Amino acid sequence: QVQLVESGGGLVKPGGSLRLSCAASGFTFSDYYMSWIRQAPGKGLEWLSFISSSANTIYYADSLRGRFTISRDNARNSLYLQMDSLRAEDTAVYYCAGRYEKYYYGMDLWGQGTTVTVSS
Amino acid sequence: DIVMTQSPLSLPVTPGEPASISCRSSQSLLHSNGYNYLDWYVQKPGQSPQLLIYLGSNRASGVPDRISGSGSGTDFTLKISRVEAEDVGVYYCMQALQAHSFGQGTKLDIK
Repeated sequence: QVQLVESGGGLVKPGGSLRLSCAASGFTFSDYYMSWIRQAPGKGLEWLSFISSSANTIYYADSLRGRFTISRDNARNSLYLQMDSLRAEDTAVYYCAGRYEKYYYGMDLWGQGTTVTVSS
Repeated sequence: DIVMTQSPLSLPVTPGEPASISCRSSQSLLHSNGYNYLDWYVQKPGQSPQLLIYLGSNRASGVPDRISGSGSGTDFTLKISRVEAEDVGVYYCMQALQAHSFGQGTKLDIK
């Protein structure tokens, strides 16, 4: 079945790094634009980053200030988020989400999320 | 950056009654192709967000027709004609014209 599964979350100290992964299955991953979105405890959704199907277009939220890097490997059906210089305020559930590249039907694919906790 | 503002932030509703959520954007979401790049998502308790409405007024697959989206430019509305217990959750609008950004969310619960 169509699925996005995030992994790589965990407990990390302030200033540390973490790499999140999102494994896609059940659909043609290379036909989808992908995004990372997070949700801090008790807060709303915050869009973080977007990558086009061929990775030639990438956007980031201004709030990240160059600390996060999005990438993808279509051969491995995987999306990644490299997170550096982590801060307590990066503590959140991180979701990957996808939308079809050829026509806009909204972000209709979402993973279950992976939890990142930044604490000493 | 496009800023999205929702109201109300909390919406208690009696089952069977209608509900309406407003979303305003700081810039027009109307693309030159004629479509408004505005989506609605709901996050039900303990679940990931799920798509309800795309391009302002198009229902996603499986969304009941008692849920509808309308609006254009900078003003959009999500309406539920008759609220049911399964509609409890937090509703978000999201713009997709320039990268993405979400509204603050509107928590709908049952009175």
